Amino acid sequence: EAEVAQSPRYKITEKSQAVAFWCDPISGHATLYWYRQILGQGPELLVQFQDESVVDDSQLPKDRFSAERLKGVDSTLKIQPAELGDSAMYLCASSLDLSGNTIYFGEGSWLTVV
Amino acid sequence: RKEVEQDPGPFNVPEGATVAFNCTYSNSASQSFFWYRQDCRKEPKLLMSVYSSGNEDGRFTAQLNRASQYISLLIRDSKLSDSATYLCVVNKGYSTLTFGKGTMLLVSP
Repeated sequence: EAEVAQSPRYKITEKSQAVAFWCDPISGHATLYWYRQILGQGPELLVQFQDESVVDDSQLPKDRFSAERLKGVDSTLKIQPAELGDSAMYLCASSLDLSGNTIYFGEGSWLTVV
Repeated sequence: RKEVEQDPGPFNVPEGATVAFNCTYSNSASQSFFWYRQDCRKEPKLLMSVYSSGNEDGRFTAQLNRASQYISLLIRDSKLSDSATYLCVVNKGYSTLTFGKGTMLLVSP
């Protein structure tokens, strides 16, 4: 079964450092999402791409977070500088189209900021 | 009012019990609805979609009440393996999925 690949799975970084996460969606999936999930909360959408274009980044803290999907395939989410409150699981997901009716999540990247 | 609200639980039930979760949503224009299951420290996985006519998948039944803007999930004959967090998810359109905080279920022997 095709999967959404994410790396790294675990990352510990010091406050004020930069950190980056990578995601490779299921082949052929045009829509890619980055979610953040703080312990005890539901996933919160950070950014959504349709191919290489941003569809929704209204909840992305743009002063420190950036995301790109240059060729419309894989994607990188960057945080600089990291803050203690950024400790969370960062989930990438993809879907075939914009219907959103079936999205597939990667295993997530756990970030701990110390 | 939050967009999607759920009782966080935990719901503690014995094996074989029937348990029901509710979820309310605030945007009356929401188009589609889902229940996702999330095991501890794992990614969410689609459990089932929720249709206006209600739908059933084995021991799981989901229902939607658009007039009252709530969604329900019923689990019959609970198994130990049903222990997880159940996330209510609403699609507002343009594939923007909004997740609730989740309801934790603990099934004990």
